[in-house]
Amino acid sequence: DGGITQSPKYLFRKEGQNVTLSCEQNLNHDAMYWYRQDPGQGLRLIYYSQIVNDFQKGDIAEGYSVSREKKESFPLTVTSAQKNPTAFYLCASGRGLAGKAGELFFGEGSRLTVL
Amino acid sequence: KQEVTQIPAALSVPEGENLVLNCSFTDSAIYNLQWFRQDPGKGLTSLLLIQSSQREQTSGRLNASLDKSSGRSTLYIAASQPGDSATYLCAVRGSGGSNYKLTFGKGTLLTVNP
Repeated sequence: DGGITQSPKYLFRKEGQNVTLSCEQNLNHDAMYWYRQDPGQGLRLIYYSQIVNDFQKGDIAEGYSVSREKKESFPLTVTSAQKNPTAFYLCASGRGLAGKAGELFFGEGSRLTVL
Repeated sequence: KQEVTQIPAALSVPEGENLVLNCSFTDSAIYNLQWFRQDPGKGLTSLLLIQSSQREQTSGRLNASLDKSSGRSTLYIAASQPGDSATYLCAVRGSGGSNYKLTFGKGTLLTVNP
């Protein structure tokens, strides 16, 4: 089935550790996104990529890093520099911005807890 | 800076009732607007996408309208069911230089009571 797969679903991290969240899509979408969701707040954009080997910072990129070496994959690393990393992380993909931008589709999310 | 507001923040209705969820946005220069549903602890499921040139979209018991000039969208749910209980989010995609980005509201938590 076509879709977006995020892993792991739950992740626990000690302070000072880097962790990487995986996001894979088989929808043949050019654009991929990472959002963060906190209770009582709207989703906030961390990074986005419109094409392979290219990505841009979103609104809250500090303490995060990404790569886009393959069209189907957009992993997010939460570094020790992120001061408040405990959150629900959502990956999304959509058709690129060349031409008509369409729907955005989301994965099931990864919940990161810092102990 | 685009801001998206959803009212009410929470809504509780008896089963079978028709209901309307509201979404407003401050910058009318949008490319499209998308409504999502989110169940607890889950990702977002796309419900309806309305392009800026459209006035409404329908899918089953759902109807979404868009009034770009006034910065408003509504999601109408007909004959609500307990399975409709979820958080409903609206998001607008900017136009021009902001067309990569969706700005989200904080959502409306809907509870449909049997």
